[in-house]
Amino acid sequence: EIVLTQSPGTLSLSPGERATLSCRASQSISSSYLAWYQQKPGQAPRLLIYATSSRATGIPDRFSGSGSGTDFSLTISRLEPEDFAVYYCQQNGAFGQGTKVEIK
Amino acid sequence: QVQLQESGPGLVKPSQTLSLTCTVSGGSISSGGYYWTWIRQHPVRGLEWMGYVYFTGTTYYKPSLKSRITISLDTTKNQFSLKLTSVTAADTAVYYCAREAQLGYLDYWGQGALVTVSS
Repeated sequence: EIVLTQSPGTLSLSPGERATLSCRASQSISSSYLAWYQQKPGQAPRLLIYATSSRATGIPDRFSGSGSGTDFSLTISRLEPEDFAVYYCQQNGAFGQGTKVEIK
Repeated sequence: QVQLQESGPGLVKPSQTLSLTCTVSGGSISSGGYYWTWIRQHPVRGLEWMGYVYFTGTTYYKPSLKSRITISLDTTKNQFSLKLTSVTAADTAVYYCAREAQLGYLDYWGQGALVTVSS
């Protein structure tokens, strides 16, 4: 069973700053199956990125994904106020524990 | 635009069966190409993928839930359902239904249904 570990647990940043979130898999995975989600309080997760680097419909280009093998990342180039949320990576039946991006 | 909506009891007694239904609109669950999936979110343990059903009726479940879980389709109503037997307090969670693509990502989600297991 693949385990996804996200870091850091919490990222404290200001609007306009760059955010880099990490997702590490316990074994090498296909980049075709790595996805990222954003979740705000009281809402369902929203798909941001699939297949490591493809943006979902309607997702702004300040969100980008990269990686291969066991190491993957989500980058938000310039944080907007609506980007402060919890982010999860996912590979098939496994989710990471989440990274909270909070306002500094 | 595909939309999903969970429905079912919000309170279930320990040892009983949790039953939820997901109604899909804006797309047919019979059209193929996607899996119809249940995920739950525990306050502490986070997101947990539970299993899916395909339009053919084929199912796949998380191994640790396999003895207790059934996911089924009702194509006439464009719905799919979750049954989880012998529930305990550990099954208290927000339950989501979602559409899962062949590459494993979940592109449409329901709003979620809180189910509490308590006597």
